[in-house]
Amino acid sequence: QKEVEQNSGPLSVPEGAIASLNCTYSDRGSQSFFWYRQYSGKSPELIMSIYSNGDKEDGRFTAQLNKASQYVSLLIRDSQPSDSATYLCAVNAGGFKTIFGAGTRLFVKA
Amino acid sequence: GAVVSQHPSRVICKSGTSVKIECRSLDFQATTMFWYRQFPKKSLMLMATSNEGSKATYEQGVEKDKFLINHASLTLSTLTVTSAHPEDSSFYICSATVAGASPDTQYFGPGTRLTVL
Repeated sequence: QKEVEQNSGPLSVPEGAIASLNCTYSDRGSQSFFWYRQYSGKSPELIMSIYSNGDKEDGRFTAQLNKASQYVSLLIRDSQPSDSATYLCAVNAGGFKTIFGAGTRLFVKA
Repeated sequence: GAVVSQHPSRVICKSGTSVKIECRSLDFQATTMFWYRQFPKKSLMLMATSNEGSKATYEQGVEKDKFLINHASLTLSTLTVTSAHPEDSSFYICSATVAGASPDTQYFGPGTRLTVL
C-alpha cells in the first residue's frame, strides 16, 4: 500500500514567519511530487511541483525534495493570514494515479 | 488556462434518488479525468479514473454500479450517484490532466457538495 504521510497539525505561525510543512512517502520509485493548497470548502489548488532532488523556489514558496530519505517539504516565507489553509502533499504513484496525504492545517496569526 | 468546472456546486437530494455531477474542462482537452471524494477533514480519496470513450477504472472498494462514470468527450465527464443514501454525502471533486502536457499534473474542479437527506 503506497502511502503519503503528513502531520495533521494545526501548525500555527505568526504573520511574517516561515512555515515549514513536511511530508514522507512510502514508494521509493515515485518521481513526481506536488503541493496543493486547499481552503475550507474549496477544491485543491496546485502550488508547486518538484521532480528532482534539491530545492525549487517560486515566489514565497520553496519545495524541497530528498528522494533518499523519501521526504518532501514546503517552506512558506513571510507567511500571511491568507496562507491559512490545509496543505496537501501528493505523490505520483505511477501512470496518472496520484496519492494524497491527509493534509496539514496551517494557521497564520495576524 | 487549465480551468475545470463542475456543476452543480451544491446539491441536496432525498435518499433513493440519483444525482448527476458534470465535470468540464473549459479551455483544454482533458486526456484523463479523475473523480475524488473527500470527507470532512480527510484527504482526497480517488474513486475512479476515466478516459474519453472508454470505461472508467474504479479504485478498490468503489462500487461501479453505484457511481456511474461517463466520459463522453475530451471536455466532459459525468459522475452519477445512483440510489443515493446519507452515507454518500460528501464533497466530490473532479480533476483533469492536460493533453500534451505533463501527465501527472492535475487541475481540479471547484467540487460538488452532495447532501443526501
